[in-house]
Amino acid sequence: ILNVEQSPQSLHVQEGDSTNFTCSFPSSNFYALHWYRWETAKSPEALFVMTLNGDEKKKGRISATLNTKEGYSYLYIKGSQPEDSATYLCASLKNGNTGNQFYFGTGTSLTVIP
Amino acid sequence: IAGITQAPTSQILAAGRRMTLRCTQDMRHNAMYWYRQDLGLGLRLIHYSNTAGTTGKGEVPDGYSVSRANTDDFPLTLASAVPSQTSVYFCASSGGEGYTFGSGTRLTVV
Repeated sequence: ILNVEQSPQSLHVQEGDSTNFTCSFPSSNFYALHWYRWETAKSPEALFVMTLNGDEKKKGRISATLNTKEGYSYLYIKGSQPEDSATYLCASLKNGNTGNQFYFGTGTSLTVIP
Repeated sequence: IAGITQAPTSQILAAGRRMTLRCTQDMRHNAMYWYRQDLGLGLRLIHYSNTAGTTGKGEVPDGYSVSRANTDDFPLTLASAVPSQTSVYFCASSGGEGYTFGSGTRLTVV
């Protein structure tokens, strides 16, 4: 069983604050890491797909880094806005005997207080 | 059972056949979801259920139906499978501690 862990479970920040959270995953047979922004009852929005150790990706005020050797990824949000409130979900794609398999974390719920 | 169990793990299905993907959770979560995962499209919501006895349509509901007779089970049915329904299907539930996903069902419609 591959355990993908996200921390913290939930987070409340003031508008304008910068914040970050963590996705940890076993590094064996690593293939890719996906970050999603997810509002309940809607489809998760894909933010980043990261594959290489040391990868850094940026989309507007959101950025992410990847360390495949130690098995973690950080997601950063600069100058949080209320519209950033959502659950941020990471998923590790691993090569297995039956092909690639996604393993999801349980998400970090972010609330940005105006 | 710990968490969410999906069955089958994978299936090859002839077009036109009926198929039910099973999803069972043992965490007593009220909300459950079905997603399909396609390369380049991310996760797309098919149907959801906020509580036993209620269901709702997501982003891509056509060709799929769900039922929620009790808290634990949330089966997804393809009434007449088509090749465009070839995908990986994930069942998920949510409770106070966050979201939990099943390990997925890889479905190939030929």
